[in-house]
Amino acid sequence: DIQMTQSPASLSASLGETVSIECLASEGISNDLAWYQQKSGKSPQLLIYAASRLQDGVPSRFSGSGSGTRYSLKISGMQPEDEADYFCQQSYKYPWTFGGGTKLELK
Amino acid sequence: EVQLQESGPGLVKPSQSLSLTCSVTGYSITSNYWGWIRKFPGNKMEWMGYISYSGSTSYNPSLKSRISITRDTSKNQFFLQLNSVTTEDTATYYCARRRTGSGWYFDFWGPGTMVTVSS
Repeated sequence: DIQMTQSPASLSASLGETVSIECLASEGISNDLAWYQQKSGKSPQLLIYAASRLQDGVPSRFSGSGSGTRYSLKISGMQPEDEADYFCQQSYKYPWTFGGGTKLELK
Repeated sequence: EVQLQESGPGLVKPSQSLSLTCSVTGYSITSNYWGWIRKFPGNKMEWMGYISYSGSTSYNPSLKSRISITRDTSKNQFFLQLNSVTTEDTATYYCARRRTGSGWYFDFWGPGTMVTVSS
């Protein structure tokens, strides 16, 4: 299975700060990567798919980039409602696998 | 709007079977693909398997001998059965819909149901 190593495991950011979260795949995944947000007690919400495509309805301050084995999610201007867990998921090779998650808190 | 809702027992004894239902509204399960994903304590997530619009299934090889996903199209529900559970199957279980288009991404999820395996 493809291993997805996500970093950092946790971080805190101030209002308006730009935040970046990374996922490193154990092999190349050809941009077949999604990012999800999960708020406490809620179901995951798809933010980004195909590494850089914004899901409908997701604020434009979220963006994704990367290639090969290294991918990142950027939040340009932390908002209070962005406090959540974030995780990546590869869909390049079955079985689909997930990163370990990043807990983002507002400082 | 598409909505999914998991239901089932919150407590299962070791060696027994775990059975969960995902009820879908706003979209027919005879379209698209429908999956089960679980999140363990400590936040590790695992893709378990899916059932397709035609009823075909695919499972994570790590679970292949224990898992079964079926459906009832008349009720627009699909089901997860996991046999011979152990305490390591304690997790929050989610059902989800594959996003239409290329790639395997999940755009609608249920709220999740926590299942504890304990005697």
